[in-house]
Amino acid sequence: EAQVTQNPRYLITVTGKKLTVTCSQNMNHEYMSWYRQDPGLGLRQIYYSMNVEVTDKGDVPEGYKVSRKEKRNFPLILESPSPNQTSLYFCASSLAGVLSYEQYFGPGTRLTVT
Amino acid sequence: QKEVEQDPGPLSVPEGAIVSLNCTYSNSAFQYFMWYRQYSRKGPELLMYTYSSGNKEDGRFTAQVDKSSKYISLFIRDSQPSDSATYLCAIFSGGYNKLIFGAGTRLAVHP
Repeated sequence: EAQVTQNPRYLITVTGKKLTVTCSQNMNHEYMSWYRQDPGLGLRQIYYSMNVEVTDKGDVPEGYKVSRKEKRNFPLILESPSPNQTSLYFCASSLAGVLSYEQYFGPGTRLTVT
Repeated sequence: QKEVEQDPGPLSVPEGAIVSLNCTYSNSAFQYFMWYRQYSRKGPELLMYTYSSGNKEDGRFTAQVDKSSKYISLFIRDSQPSDSATYLCAIFSGGYNKLIFGAGTRLAVHP
């Protein structure tokens, strides 16, 4: 089954404790992206990757890191989480270029930072 | 000014009603316009897309783009309780390789 998986689905952590949210896709997609979703603000892009070893900032990259060492995986790293990073996070993947309008989303990770 | 504006609702309608969901956008260069649907506790999924101006129909759903007024719409005919979800309009910016989303409109269709 074609899918994007994320782990964990739910995470409660404390300020400053490093964490990683994993994302994996099995569709051989070149393009992968991370979004956060907050009430009233919709989905905002954090980082994206056009292919292996190619990443770039989205609209809200502060406080986040990513890496793309393999085509299928695109982990999101919070080196020192803060309460304003409490949010619902989605990973997405798609084919590259103009076909990136059709993105496949993971089930989401709800993060709470206390 | 936000690049894509969408009324967050919520919108509550009886089963069988015609639903109209709308967004406005600011950049006249955009060419790809999408509607994503998001059920509770799920990720968004692409419902329909339209290239440039015009209408596109898929069953009970019709997507409409008016580039002259920078207005995009989604119409749902004969709405069903299973249509209850959040609907997100989105625009693909090829120059920046990203989707720009509206805030989403939460729709509830009650029997």
